[in-house]
Amino acid sequence: DQQVKQNSPSLSVQEGRISILNCDYTNSMFDYFLWYKKYPAEGPTFLISISSIKDKNEDGRFTVFLNKSAKHLSLHIVPSQPGDSAVYFCAASAHNNDMRFGAGTRLTVKP
Amino acid sequence: DAGVIQSPRHEVTEMGQEVTLRCKPISGHNSLFWYRQTMMRGLELLIYFNNNVPIDDSGMPEDRFSAKMPNASFSTLKIQPSEPRDSAVYFCASSHLSGGLANYGYTFGSGTRLTVV
Repeated sequence: DQQVKQNSPSLSVQEGRISILNCDYTNSMFDYFLWYKKYPAEGPTFLISISSIKDKNEDGRFTVFLNKSAKHLSLHIVPSQPGDSAVYFCAASAHNNDMRFGAGTRLTVKP
Repeated sequence: DAGVIQSPRHEVTEMGQEVTLRCKPISGHNSLFWYRQTMMRGLELLIYFNNNVPIDDSGMPEDRFSAKMPNASFSTLKIQPSEPRDSAVYFCASSHLSGGLANYGYTFGSGTRLTVV
């Protein structure tokens, strides 16, 4: 049962434009959400997180938005850079328990 | 800190053979997680330990899979016998959980790419 879903397996954007990666979840008990970035042949690395008490968290070019009523979160990258090309995983956790991941979205930023 | 260390990086084995994947978590982390990455399902949680005790192994696909954590600095994931459908990248991650999820989540190792032929 996929509790965290990333329905877009891939996304391609032009350098300088905004990248928007989407994630949906089904478990209403999730209270902490994270985005991880993964380059080939490396493990995922933490990018940005948000607690369920917030609806937005910003860190430089990266912003995560949380819509609890829709059980949806998104990651915005602006402006996108070629070095942002990677697989992005959405993850969620309930009450400090294990983290569940989505299937990932491969972002390609074209120069 | 060297981070989470996994070995081997690559493993090719024949169907029916036993495979053992190894993980050394970050010193001081009290939780360890084994994930499997496949194209279809992304990152699946197989099992996690807290203070060396298995907490949830509901993600372990079959009895052929087993995991141990004999001490705070070492864990193994064993597949016996291995099958071609076990081919995937297996990640180990560690974290320090103490009543609130660390703001930086988990630290992942570089993974073991397993190919069963």
